[in-house]
Amino acid sequence: AAGVIQSPRHLIKEKRETATLKCYPIPRHDTVYWYQQGPGQDPQFLISFYEKMQSDKGSIPDRFSAQQFSDYHSELNMSSLELGDSALYFCASSWRTSGNTDTQYFGPGTRLTVL
Amino acid sequence: TQLLEQSPQFLSIQEGENLTVYCNSSSVFSSLQWYRQEPGEGPVLLVTVVTGGEVKKLKRLTFQFGDARKDSSLHITAAQPGDTGLYLCAGALSGGTSYGKLTFGQGTILTVHP
Repeated sequence: AAGVIQSPRHLIKEKRETATLKCYPIPRHDTVYWYQQGPGQDPQFLISFYEKMQSDKGSIPDRFSAQQFSDYHSELNMSSLELGDSALYFCASSWRTSGNTDTQYFGPGTRLTVL
Repeated sequence: TQLLEQSPQFLSIQEGENLTVYCNSSSVFSSLQWYRQEPGEGPVLLVTVVTGGEVKKLKRLTFQFGDARKDSSLHITAAQPGDTGLYLCAGALSGGTSYGKLTFGQGTILTVHP
């Protein structure tokens, strides 16, 4: 079965640079969630989209923005990167329209390292 | 303050033993999910429980959702070395404007020795 695809899997950036992370949800899934997981931490919710509209917002810095496109893929844009942004970034998708709204399937993650 | 308290955080047992991991909260969840995560990889869904008192079984794993939908447990029978890994519970809060976003427990690192 198709899973959530994230790219790139690994990304190394310098401080103050920008980064773009991409997420391709499971086919037919209409909702995308972004999470950040620091070393030894549990995943923290950043932001979510349903049918291309922002659905909910968590602890996402103002330096970060995200959107969901017409094909339901999503991109997380991160600017003015800081050392503390180094983490695993996960995308998860679900099929809200089906009514099974809370079952989220996670992608393999993007490991961002800021030097 | 952790919304979902998961315990124990570390568990080291011998092959063949049974174990239980707990997730507790003072909040009500519309659903609770259990994941297993390998280092550097994304959490893999094990089960979703949505009804208070619900019990689900997945081979040697038994998942239970509390009657009040505030707590959950994962019980593994006759643990095997292949069960070694990080187990995470995650809940979606009931009501309010937060729709579906998950709050995670701290995780339980399970090590099963041969």
